[in-house]
Amino acid sequence: AQSVTQPDIHITVSEGASLELRCNYSYGATPYLFWYVQSPGQGLQLLLKYFSGDTLVQGIKGFEAEFKRSQSSFNLRKPSVHWSDAAEYFCAVGEKGGGNKLTFGTGTQLKVEL
Amino acid sequence: EADIYQTPRYLVIGTGKKITLECSQTMGHDKMYWYQQDPGMELHLIHYSYGVNSTEKGDLSSESTVSRIRTEHFPLTLESARPSHTSQYLCASSDRLAGYEQYFGPGTRLTVT
Repeated sequence: AQSVTQPDIHITVSEGASLELRCNYSYGATPYLFWYVQSPGQGLQLLLKYFSGDTLVQGIKGFEAEFKRSQSSFNLRKPSVHWSDAAEYFCAVGEKGGGNKLTFGTGTQLKVEL
Repeated sequence: EADIYQTPRYLVIGTGKKITLECSQTMGHDKMYWYQQDPGMELHLIHYSYGVNSTEKGDLSSESTVSRIRTEHFPLTLESARPSHTSQYLCASSDRLAGYEQYFGPGTRLTVT
């Protein structure tokens, strides 16, 4: 069965600093990978996704992520964090075919200090 | 504008009441999903549907039921609410042509007293 691990429950960074959120997955084949962001009391918004091809993917709001098959990782990065980036971030792995079901990690809560 | 809607956004209800959480999408997606999310926790899939008249239970056991009579509508029902049902419920939809990503509604925060 597929699984996702986000080892950092909470991360605090200063505004303007760089950010990296870690995500490791377990899946038997080449996965579909996603990063979502959730603001308090809201649903999830897709930041970026990886299906195939270039292992460095660009997303919205200046985020990017790199798929590393050898490390089973899909870490999210941003070179300069803004206070509005404070939110919960979820990594997810998708099941190919069938119901396109997603398995989510436990999330990383990002706090941005001004 | 294509979107996914959930109503109500917030619901406080007493134990034993029957409730229905509404979810509608205007994107024509064939697949729809219900997730349960406790504060600060991951999302757990409780129901999904491949299309009209198709429903399946998800990975997390739930006392709720769902129906899919129309493509755009995927309501979730609790016949007798209990305090253990207090949670946030998120609805999502996807489609192969949409690139497999799931689009989420804003969620319903349910509190059972």
